[in-house]
Amino acid sequence: GQNIDQPTEMTATEGAIVQINCTYQTSGFNGLFWYQQHAGEAPTFLSYNVLDGLEEKGRFSSFLSRSKGYSYLLLKELQMKDSASYLCAVRDSNYQLIWGAGTKLIIKP
Amino acid sequence: DAMVIQNPRYQVTQFGKPVTLSCSQTLNHNVMYWYQQKSSQAPKLLFHYYDKDFNNEADTPDNFQSRRPNTSFCFLDIRSPGLGDAAMYLCATSTGTGGAETQYFGPGTRLLVL
Repeated sequence: GQNIDQPTEMTATEGAIVQINCTYQTSGFNGLFWYQQHAGEAPTFLSYNVLDGLEEKGRFSSFLSRSKGYSYLLLKELQMKDSASYLCAVRDSNYQLIWGAGTKLIIKP
Repeated sequence: DAMVIQNPRYQVTQFGKPVTLSCSQTLNHNVMYWYQQKSSQAPKLLFHYYDKDFNNEADTPDNFQSRRPNTSFCFLDIRSPGLGDAAMYLCATSTGTGGAETQYFGPGTRLLVL
C-alpha cells in the first residue's frame, strides 16, 4: 500500500527553528508538496519538490531525497501565526496525490 | 481576486436528509476535486472532474454524488447523510493533473449531521 508518515504533533518556541519530517512509500514518484492548514481552514500551498535538494522560499525551506523517500519542511524565525498543521503529499506514478495526516505544530511564546 | 468559493461554510443536516454542498471557482481551472477531511486526518479524495470527465475514487460510497454543470461550478450531493459523514468537505481546483500541478483549495464546508 501507499503510505505517508509524519509526526502527529510538534512543539517549538517563537523565534526558533523547527524541522518537520515526512517519509513516504508510494508506487512511483512525481513530486512532493507541502501545505499549511490552519485549524478549521483549507490547506494552502507552501512548496513543491521533484528533484533532490533544498528549495528555499523566505522563512520556509523544503528538502527532498528521493532515494531515501524522505522530505522535510524547515521553518525559521518561528512566529505565532505559524501554529498550524503541515501536510505532506506525494504524487505517485498515476499522478494521484497521496496525503499525509499532517503534523500539528504548536508555537509557544 | 481569483479564488475558490464554497457555500455554505457550515451546514447542519439531519440523519438521512439529502444535502448539497456547492463550490465555484474564478480561476478557470480544468480540474475540480472534492475531498472529505475528518479531524486530524489526511484529506480523502472523493472524486474529481477533468473538464466534464468524471473520475470516481474506488472507495467513495454510492451515497456521494457530484455534478459539474459548467467550468465554474461543482456540487457535492450526499443522498442520505449518516453520522459518519460529518466532516469538513474541501473543494479544490487545478489547471491539470500533472506532476507540478498545484491544487488550490476553497475554505471548506463543515457538515454536521444530527
